[in-house]
Amino acid sequence: DAKTTQPPSMDCAEGRAANLPCNHSTISGNEYVYWYRQIHSQGPQYIIHGLKNNETNEMASLIITEDRKSSTLILPHATLRDTAVYYCMGYAGNNRKLIWGLGTSLAVNP
Amino acid sequence: DTGVSQDPRHKITKRGQNVTFRCDPISEHNRLYWYRQTLGQGPEFLTYFQNEAQLEKSRLLSDRFSAERPKGSFSTLEIQRTEQGDSAMYLCASSLSGGHGYTFGSGTRLTVV
Repeated sequence: DAKTTQPPSMDCAEGRAANLPCNHSTISGNEYVYWYRQIHSQGPQYIIHGLKNNETNEMASLIITEDRKSSTLILPHATLRDTAVYYCMGYAGNNRKLIWGLGTSLAVNP
Repeated sequence: DTGVSQDPRHKITKRGQNVTFRCDPISEHNRLYWYRQTLGQGPEFLTYFQNEAQLEKSRLLSDRFSAERPKGSFSTLEIQRTEQGDSAMYLCASSLSGGHGYTFGSGTRLTVV
């Protein structure tokens, strides 16, 4: 399983883009990059995943570097409700468990 | 289907008592996971079921912990002789084998006093 490194905390102004980085230099070729977030006192919520190509959904965009050693989660117009802890991790799909790090605590400020 | 349901949301118990938590996964999901999360940490894997078979257990799951998933639907996690160190959020998640992404429940917060 890939070991991931994320900054412990970040701030973002409401309405601006939030760019959350993640280093996963040990990710293997069959592991997808997954992002989840956890709002205080709730269960984690799936955001997005990708293998090689950049991905976009209704929640966020995921930019993966060509060497796949790092990625950036982009929340294009952050709102106060996006304040949460954001986790990235590598996951091969057939693995039976996700390995969670400490994540990045994102504070969106008015 | 409203997602993964966990019951109760909160449980306060005295040290030494037994507690049982229930998880109802998304109905068509055949995989079910239990995780534990303490304050400031990411979730830690406890155990995993595919249908009714418990396929993996973490070393974190001491002999005081037992999980079941009879008939491959809902699951229960029981903790016997609770200790203060068991105080945590217990999270349940479900997924489809071959699918991507888990769906988590809101968790059961256990406080052992």
